[in-house]
Amino acid sequence: RKEVEQDPGPFNVPEGATVAFNCTYSNSASQSFFWYRQDCRKEPKLLMSVYSSGNEDGRFTAQLNRASQYISLLIRDSKLSDSATYLCVVNRGTGNQFYFGTGTSLTVIP
Amino acid sequence: GAGVSQSPSNKVTEKGKDVELRCDPISGHTALYWYRQSLGQGLEFLIYFQGNSAPDKSGLPSDRFSAERTGGSVSTLTIQRTQQEDSAVYLCASSSTRGGVTAGELFFGEGSRLTVL
Repeated sequence: RKEVEQDPGPFNVPEGATVAFNCTYSNSASQSFFWYRQDCRKEPKLLMSVYSSGNEDGRFTAQLNRASQYISLLIRDSKLSDSATYLCVVNRGTGNQFYFGTGTSLTVIP
Repeated sequence: GAGVSQSPSNKVTEKGKDVELRCDPISGHTALYWYRQSLGQGLEFLIYFQGNSAPDKSGLPSDRFSAERTGGSVSTLTIQRTQQEDSAVYLCASSSTRGGVTAGELFFGEGSRLTVL
């Protein structure tokens, strides 16, 4: 079983829509959780960390459910510029490996 | 520079040749990672360096792959006798650490796109 699993999509949504991505992780000892964004033919960049209590950054909300071992990302009022691949990333904390999901592709349509 | 710098940005080579890819991390970052990303795939961990500790080489796919990090800064990933399946984007990332553990965000370079003909 993969460390991190994501629905690859693609998700095609109209501008202004709300879209949610989920991600599951296999190791219950995982400590740190992140969402990265990767534009086409570009390097990944941190979108936001995911905290146990959930956190929000503008139109983006991240949630962590440790009991079910999943992480979610909610994007409200989608913009064309949100079109990208969103990577779920997990770190065990004691080690130093970051485990990346294969990414969920989002296209926001005018 | 302000960010992680990688070179070359693109490399086309013939099967069987050796290639070297270079990564210059953010100044002061003691943690350095190499990843590989094939077309349409996720990031595959290759190797991790942390300060003067022995590197974590657990992700290297074969003994044709090796990496070193000189002086705790610049790193070179070497692929010997390249094969077509080595074609991918090789990404380097660096991070600061606290207590020897990577602290939070990974900063990626723009990658080196390798094509093996």
